Amino acid sequence: EDQVTQSPEALRLQEGESSSLNCSYTVSGLRGLFWYRQDPGKGPEFLFTLYSAGEEKEKERLKATLTKKESFLHITAPKPEDSATYLCAVLYGNNRLAFGKGNQVVVIP
Amino acid sequence: DAGVTQSPTHLIKTRGQQVTLRCSPKSGHDTVSWYQQALGQGPQFIFQYYEEEERQRGNFPDRFSGHQFPNYSSELNVNALLLGDSALYLCASSPGEDYGYTFGSGTRLTVV
Repeated sequence: EDQVTQSPEALRLQEGESSSLNCSYTVSGLRGLFWYRQDPGKGPEFLFTLYSAGEEKEKERLKATLTKKESFLHITAPKPEDSATYLCAVLYGNNRLAFGKGNQVVVIP
Repeated sequence: DAGVTQSPTHLIKTRGQQVTLRCSPKSGHDTVSWYQQALGQGPQFIFQYYEEEERQRGNFPDRFSGHQFPNYSSELNVNALLLGDSALYLCASSPGEDYGYTFGSGTRLTVV
């Protein structure tokens, strides 16, 4: 069964239109939650690590938050260069990293 | 500072052949993991190497094998290639447990 579920699968935003991406997980013994950005044909690029519920991290127009069962990636006033697939991954058990399928974001000028 | 380096970048193989993919981890990183990413999907964990030993493995058949060398670089070998093995193969390294993983740009394998 899916351990990490991301929604929505795809999102089209107008430039400046803020939105949020969701990552819910069912693993037990969470050791960390990671957000990555992936451009077509490239490897994932590390964005954030969150370790405990209530934790928040920010970088430019992106802000990641974590609760006990899910994480959100908030995109504030996005620009076309924010278009990418955003991957959520959870680290659990014996150092195993499980990924969701990603949120594909397109920002229209 | 070089990140994770993978080679080759693209590869085309015939069904039934064998392939070897290579990965050099980021400087200071001793743990290497391999992932398979099909088009439109998230990366799927293949296995992880630490101190030249396979530490854990995902749900992949024995046709997938690997190796880690004393300098922490790693190889992924796939035998008896199937059409379904066509994917982007990603290598990721980390300096230890609970740290963020740095990914390479991947090797695009096409099996025809």
